[in-house]
Amino acid sequence: QVQLVQSGAEVKQPGASVKVSCKAFGYTFTNHAVHWVRQAPGQRLEWMGWINAANGNTKYSQKFQARVTITRDTSASTAYMELSSLRSEDTSVYYCARDPGDCSTMSCYNFEHWGQGTLVTVSS
Amino acid sequence: SYELTQPSSLSVSPGQTARITCSGDVLAEKYARWFQRKPGQAPVFLIYKDSERPSGIPDRFSGSSSGTTVTLTISGAQVEDEADYYCYSAADNNVIFGGGTKLTVL
Repeated sequence: QVQLVQSGAEVKQPGASVKVSCKAFGYTFTNHAVHWVRQAPGQRLEWMGWINAANGNTKYSQKFQARVTITRDTSASTAYMELSSLRSEDTSVYYCARDPGDCSTMSCYNFEHWGQGTLVTVSS
Repeated sequence: SYELTQPSSLSVSPGQTARITCSGDVLAEKYARWFQRKPGQAPVFLIYKDSERPSGIPDRFSGSSSGTTVTLTISGAQVEDEADYYCYSAADNNVIFGGGTKLTVL
């Protein structure tokens, strides 16, 4: 069955970068887009962006545009989210989620399958 | 900017019907989705296009829409349905989430 397995918890210092991975199992990786969503303690969920796993096209939330990079390695069926210039407010649980489609059409943003989440703590 | 409003909590007894609302102007034009999240588990996608249910989701979960409000209905709520429920929608190349509703079934 479809499974998204994320990398483990990270602790980073302010100003550093973090790269979270999301490995896909149980489906053809390149047939779907992968989204990244985060939730800071006591805050609402925030969508960060998506990647079309086939061609690598991306779309980012305006809030994160300057600091986030989403990539993929098709040979490893893995998507990555890298966030730079970390600050304490970036302390969050980060999730990847698979879309039923590849987001090349208007139909997108259905977070059909989710990873288990990765806690990133930013602290000096 | 768009906002989605949910009640922060709801409590029902097992077997009762739970109705969780989500309100916001964006819902008059854009579809709502719902997902369930339990502590330590991956979230589960419940509803898309306001009322469509993905395969594998029990039919006690249903969605409806009226104007600027969508409703997730859990008919015959079970103890295992105790979780946080979130609505969200997509507009203007962004995704807006509701604040979440903690459903207690006891």
